[in-house]
Amino acid sequence: SAVISQKPSRDICQRGTSLTIQCQVDSQVTMMFWYRQQPGQSLTLIATANQGSEATYESGFVIDKFPISRPNLTFSTLTVSNMSPEDSSIYLCSAPRVAGVEQFFGPGTRLTVL
Amino acid sequence: GENVEQHPSTLSVQEGDSAVIKCTYSDSASNYFPWYKQELGKRPQLIIDIRSNVGEKKDQRIAVTLNKTAKHFSLHITETQPEDSAVYFCAASKDTGFQKLVFGTGTRLLVSP
Repeated sequence: SAVISQKPSRDICQRGTSLTIQCQVDSQVTMMFWYRQQPGQSLTLIATANQGSEATYESGFVIDKFPISRPNLTFSTLTVSNMSPEDSSIYLCSAPRVAGVEQFFGPGTRLTVL
Repeated sequence: GENVEQHPSTLSVQEGDSAVIKCTYSDSASNYFPWYKQELGKRPQLIIDIRSNVGEKKDQRIAVTLNKTAKHFSLHITETQPEDSAVYFCAASKDTGFQKLVFGTGTRLLVSP
């Protein structure tokens, strides 16, 4: 399995500010994924982070709100911009096993916006 | 796009009973179906998966079955134990391209001693 870490593990932020979440994978992977899990809900894909190209966003998510960087094959960041209380969620990154399809998740970042 | 429905939303069983969670998917091109277990405050953990060229897969007390014609797949847990209590998510994806997962809505399983 892939070993995935995220920073920060949790944060409490003020409305209108931005937070950048980091995701590190222990192996080189072509794609990384960012998910949002609202309280008591399922996981919803925000975007696919491709190394060397723009991220691919899912319907309902836009780059201005959730800019993503993917500077190399082991690292990605997700920024939650101009936050509102509705952005309070757990944000998870995931990556597939090298040469496989099984996806593994980071521990998540629990974001609370006041 | 793909849509995955999951039932039931909650399931309570006695220790030792079996539990079955069912999912249906809409995109006939989907061919990879993983199941994740998420304990409170933890990350989703992959517990078993199945590909569309297989009808059933078993790993100790858990098994997954797939009916491609009906586009549904199920998770079976036998001899349930209190530590099986968690939220279980099914998902579907195409085993090519972006490999993005579309998740079901989740099932909260409670196993009472």
